[in-house]
Amino acid sequence: EADIYQTPRYLVIGTGKKITLECSQTMGHDKMYWYQQDPGMELHLIHYSYGVNSTEKGDLSSESTVSRIRTEHFPLTLESARPSHTSQYLCASSDGDHYGYTFGSGTRLTVV
Amino acid sequence: QKEVEQNSGPLSVPEGAIASLNCTYSDRGSQSFFWYRQYSGKSPELIMSIYSNGDKEDGRFTAQLNKASQYVSLLIRDSQPSDSATYLCAVINFNKFYFGSGTKLNVKP
Repeated sequence: EADIYQTPRYLVIGTGKKITLECSQTMGHDKMYWYQQDPGMELHLIHYSYGVNSTEKGDLSSESTVSRIRTEHFPLTLESARPSHTSQYLCASSDGDHYGYTFGSGTRLTVV
Repeated sequence: QKEVEQNSGPLSVPEGAIASLNCTYSDRGSQSFFWYRQYSGKSPELIMSIYSNGDKEDGRFTAQLNKASQYVSLLIRDSQPSDSATYLCAVINFNKFYFGSGTKLNVKP
């Protein structure tokens, strides 16, 4: 049973559109993360947050932005989608270093 | 040098055999270690965590940690076709989480 929810599950959108990928968790976790993963490839951290009003860029350069106004909500926004943004986006949360991550089901984004 | 290294595979084992997956990490200060299973097109799922040297067993899965040699392994006993997936090793070091690139396991009926 998932306690971290991502919407939409699939999204096909035209170049230049603004999109927001939603991520919410009901576990009260302070730490939340966004990863990008192409099929068969490794995970790349693009953003993370350790609490409300705290956001940091990850290891992979990304044109996306994030916000953390509420503990349970960590949306990711692309101001102007491009075909190079086509990928799977995975949200995760953690209750601390000892507990690992819980991942959402992911959003598969296709920009045409 | 990557923080976490895994052989990409694929590792092929017959049904019922033991599958052995290995992972090495670069920083001796790493504190917590995890194995995730990822089916094609799905998100990673946590299957094992280990924090101290030795073995930890959970059903058909055994995680092994050797901090002196800086490796973590996952043994899957009585492998089933449903175990076919990519297995990701993950390590926490000073509040940062590092994933390996994953090992693809194929269990053949």
